[in-house]
Amino acid sequence: EIVLTQSPATLSLSPGERATLSCRASQSVSSYLAWYQQKPGQAPRLLIYDASNRATGIPARFSGSGSGTDFTLTISSLEPEDFAVYYCQQRSNWPPAFGPGTKVDIK
Amino acid sequence: QVQLVQSGAEVKKPGASVKVSCKASGYTFTSYGISWVRQAPGQGLEWMGWISAYNGNTNYAQKLQGRVTMTTDTSTSTAYMELRSLRSDDTAVYYCARDLRGYQDWGQGTLVTVSS
Repeated sequence: EIVLTQSPATLSLSPGERATLSCRASQSVSSYLAWYQQKPGQAPRLLIYDASNRATGIPARFSGSGSGTDFTLTISSLEPEDFAVYYCQQRSNWPPAFGPGTKVDIK
Repeated sequence: QVQLVQSGAEVKKPGASVKVSCKASGYTFTSYGISWVRQAPGQGLEWMGWISAYNGNTNYAQKLQGRVTMTTDTSTSTAYMELRSLRSDDTAVYYCARDLRGYQDWGQGTLVTVSS
């Protein structure tokens, strides 16, 4: 079973700053990695699939990179609505587990 | 547009069963799988399993094997998740999601509370 770790657990930033979130897999997942955003009381929203492809309707300030075991989600300039929890998910092997999440909060 | 509408909140006693429904619209139901994900209060996302809406094939999380059953009714474009022998740590919001290059569309979530 592939285990995902995310760092940091919490990222405290100000609006306008750049956010860099990391996801590391215990073994290669090729490019089969997705990123989700979740706000309190809401279902998760798909941001990125296959490591670097933005999902429908996702703003260009969100970008994903990486392959193999190391992945990054970058938010180029934080908007007020971007403060949320972000999860990565590997889709290479069963089970398609999620990482523990990174909370991006307002500094 | 694609919509996944789930059934309402449930309160169950330990040892009981719960069956959550997820009605899909806005796409061809049998063309995509449905995954179920749960989230305990204040915790992260936990993948529970997946069902092919095309042929009913399933894949369940090992920790839930024997307690969970996922089914579909193609005549009503509805997916179901039944969880048996409920325990207090099954208290969570349960989500269904359409599996398309990632979970593109999600239901609104169903809160299941297990309490004596």
